[in-house]
Amino acid sequence: AQSVTQPDIHITVSEGASLELRCNYSYGATPYLFWYVQSPGQGLQLLLKYFSGDTLVQGIKGFEAEFKRSQSSFNLRKPSVHWSDAAEYFCAVVPATSGTYKYIFGTGTRLKVLA
Amino acid sequence: GAGVSQSPRYKVAKRGQDVALRCDPISGHVSLFWYQQALGQGPEFLTYFQNEAQLDKSGLPSDRFFAERPEGSVSTLKIQRTQQEDSAVYLCASSLVYSQTSTDTQYFGPGTRLTVL
Repeated sequence: AQSVTQPDIHITVSEGASLELRCNYSYGATPYLFWYVQSPGQGLQLLLKYFSGDTLVQGIKGFEAEFKRSQSSFNLRKPSVHWSDAAEYFCAVVPATSGTYKYIFGTGTRLKVLA
Repeated sequence: GAGVSQSPRYKVAKRGQDVALRCDPISGHVSLFWYQQALGQGPEFLTYFQNEAQLDKSGLPSDRFFAERPEGSVSTLKIQRTQQEDSAVYLCASSLVYSQTSTDTQYFGPGTRLTVL
């Protein structure tokens, strides 16, 4: 069955430290990949997406993600975390076949930032 | 420009009541989606509209759930005879393209938090 795994439910980092959030998927072919962020009381905001091409993708707010086909991973990174980054982060995938629109989300990783 | 808006933001219902949740997509967006997000979980797909046509309702959990988009813009998700297990955040998203033929970014609204007592 198709699935998305975010192995870390909670992550705590100090402000200014680097961050990596993990995302693994299981599909037969390369899917389209997304990272969204959800702040309390807010909707999901798109951070970045990968459809094809360069496997290192730059997003908003200083985030980047790297697609690694061999590892079926799309990990999110940020070199220096700010207190305002505290939120919940969701990885989502869509199988890269025509007519597919059902985003499949991971269960999310909640990020806490220590001052 | 304006994003996706949803109303009400919070809804408390007694078990057995009917509720209606509204979604205003981004102007001009063809595709509209509803998702259900249970506490501590990621969003799960409920249904998809292309303009006014509901092309996929495979994610609706029961026949108590009904969605419509009569004029191809605003959409309403209706839940009849609410149950406690319906408590969740209901998210609406819209996309510019015809999502049956092309995958594009979905833009999400803030959601409606439904609590069934």
